[in-house]
Amino acid sequence: DTEVTQTPKHLVMGMTNKKSLKCEQHMGHRAMYWYKQKAKKPPELMFVYSYEKLSINESVPSRFSPECPNSSLLNLHLHALQPEDSALYLCASSPRDGGGANVLTFGAGSRLTVL
Amino acid sequence: LAKTTQPISMDSYEGQEVNITCSHNNIATNDYITWYQQFPSQGPRFIIQGYKTKVTNEVASLFIPADRKSSTLSLPRVSLSDTAVYYCLVGPSGSARQLTFGSGTQLTVLP
Repeated sequence: DTEVTQTPKHLVMGMTNKKSLKCEQHMGHRAMYWYKQKAKKPPELMFVYSYEKLSINESVPSRFSPECPNSSLLNLHLHALQPEDSALYLCASSPRDGGGANVLTFGAGSRLTVL
Repeated sequence: LAKTTQPISMDSYEGQEVNITCSHNNIATNDYITWYQQFPSQGPRFIIQGYKTKVTNEVASLFIPADRKSSTLSLPRVSLSDTAVYYCLVGPSGSARQLTFGSGTQLTVLP
């Protein structure tokens, strides 16, 4: 299995809702990432988990809460989002965190719309 | 943190070879150069990675001069399906925080 699977593909939520995005990989990768991508912009790094521990939080607002239950799963819990948080949320994994030859495998993304 | 500069957009015709250059003047000694391709509403996909000289795989070649301050992604005989955004990433030499995407190059292949 060489894929990163993200669910749901599309999500519409109100500003008072609580929802979660899920990401799964079975490649034995020990680093997992959340990126946010707005239309016609490059992906922006949000969080990095390394060996199931949060290693990087790029000053992301607390309405985004990541969770890594085990080495194969990564969640992004969403609460009290704003319309400007509407974006494509990408999950990625790599064999390890950082390192010169690190190659990321990305999922197809979850398209989030906040009303 | 190595910053990259790429052309914003390029046009080409089917069957032509396309070369996309990325500048990375402050590349560090232990940085690698990695290229990704992204189609609309999909995640980026790894194309090729190199450290120096030339690397070739089944889809592309990567040329890196001796000073490593730039690199060129070469796509042979492009087709309409190669229309996508191409990103050049440099690093990381340490933390994954340095896995930062530049603005990318929108390649449009015309019939």
